Amino acid sequence: ETGVTQTPRHLVMGMTNKKSLKCEQHLGHNAMYWYKQSAKKPLELMFVYNFKEQTENNSVPSRFSPECPNSSHLFLHLHTLQPEDSALYLCASTQRYAFTDTQYFGPGTRLTVL
Amino acid sequence: AQTVTQSQPEMSVQEAETVTLSCTYDTSESDYYLFWYKQPPSRQMILVIRQEAYKQQNATENRFSVNFQKAAKSFSLKISDSQLGDAAMYFCAYSGTASKLTFGTGTRLQVTL
Repeated sequence: ETGVTQTPRHLVMGMTNKKSLKCEQHLGHNAMYWYKQSAKKPLELMFVYNFKEQTENNSVPSRFSPECPNSSHLFLHLHTLQPEDSALYLCASTQRYAFTDTQYFGPGTRLTVL
Repeated sequence: AQTVTQSQPEMSVQEAETVTLSCTYDTSESDYYLFWYKQPPSRQMILVIRQEAYKQQNATENRFSVNFQKAAKSFSLKISDSQLGDAAMYFCAYSGTASKLTFGTGTRLQVTL
């Protein structure tokens, strides 16, 4: 596997379910990001991790819980979601947590909350 | 806060022709980077081109080039010799000293025969 991978690619869940999204980067990067992409809205940054430490939580509801066990893996744990949480969730990584670095994105997980 | 505006929700270009996608941004910072990303139907966001604000020379990557006008806060993308594979959503993005990427709402590019 190369670049940034995300699993699953599609996820349908009920509002009472608990599920997790997984992101893995094979680029040797040290910073990882979660974004939410909704139709007709700009990408919204959710969380940033730098060297496994959370450096940014962009006022995300607590029903989204990130986890970064190491610099290569990032998870987004989901519980008691709402239908408005349906969106494409993108993971990205950079070599450093720096504005000069290009972000590399995964293919995303399409989440549908029923 | 920085904002990025893409005023063209959809554009269409014929194969082999040239198209320009517009992007404007608002910032009070002097050092920043600007990016164009492409998101094809497969959904993977791919970097097309990047520009550092301190560089006056416009960036070029093969058929893709930018027109960076710092004073006007404008950053347009020109695609020459358009190909069917260029059909995608194109996002303009700004990265400033807060180390966050701010995206525009995107322009959907259609390429016709």
